[in-house]
Amino acid sequence: EDQVTQSPEALRLQEGESSSLNCSYTVSGLRGLFWYRQDPGKGPEFLFTLYSAGEEKEKERLKATLTKKESFLHITAPKPEDSATYLCAVRNQAGTALIFGKGTTLSVSS
Amino acid sequence: DAGVTQSPTHLIKTRGQQVTLRCSPKSGHDTVSWYQQALGQGPQFIFQYYEEEERQRGNFPDRFSGHQFPNYSSELNVNALLLGDSALYLCASSFGGYNEQFFGPGTRLTVL
Repeated sequence: EDQVTQSPEALRLQEGESSSLNCSYTVSGLRGLFWYRQDPGKGPEFLFTLYSAGEEKEKERLKATLTKKESFLHITAPKPEDSATYLCAVRNQAGTALIFGKGTTLSVSS
Repeated sequence: DAGVTQSPTHLIKTRGQQVTLRCSPKSGHDTVSWYQQALGQGPQFIFQYYEEEERQRGNFPDRFSGHQFPNYSSELNVNALLLGDSALYLCASSFGGYNEQFFGPGTRLTVL
């Protein structure tokens, strides 16, 4: 069964304190791993797609990496505006639906 | 360029009622997927529509049904509402269904 597990559930950082969020996945044949950012009460905002082990993508203070079993979202020198829930998802076997983890809620204080 | 839009933003219903939620995809997209997100959980896939047909369905009962129109917009219908149907309902659009999915702001449904 396709499955996504994210850790930690919640993370509190001071402004400028770098850290990483983890996404472990189990899927038969990876057809894409996706990272989204979600602010409270709003829809997820697309961040990155990764397809193969070793692939990396960057956007401002965020960098996503992928191995054969997990993905990391590295946050460098975070700012309070980076506070949000970060969701990880994989495409299901049929290639159509996204299977999401529960997310990591990041709080960055100044 | 307008992104994915959903209406209404909030809705309050009572148990046993029926509800219809609407979604307009991002310009250039032809595929619409619907997700249900309970509080503190990740979104769960309900179904996907492509070329006005339901292409795939998640683990949701038949009370959940949908439709896609020729202009690619979509509706989600839920019959015989239960308290457990209270959630944020998200619509996502993509081109062809196998590319990145972009989400709308969601409709918050509360069932009393």
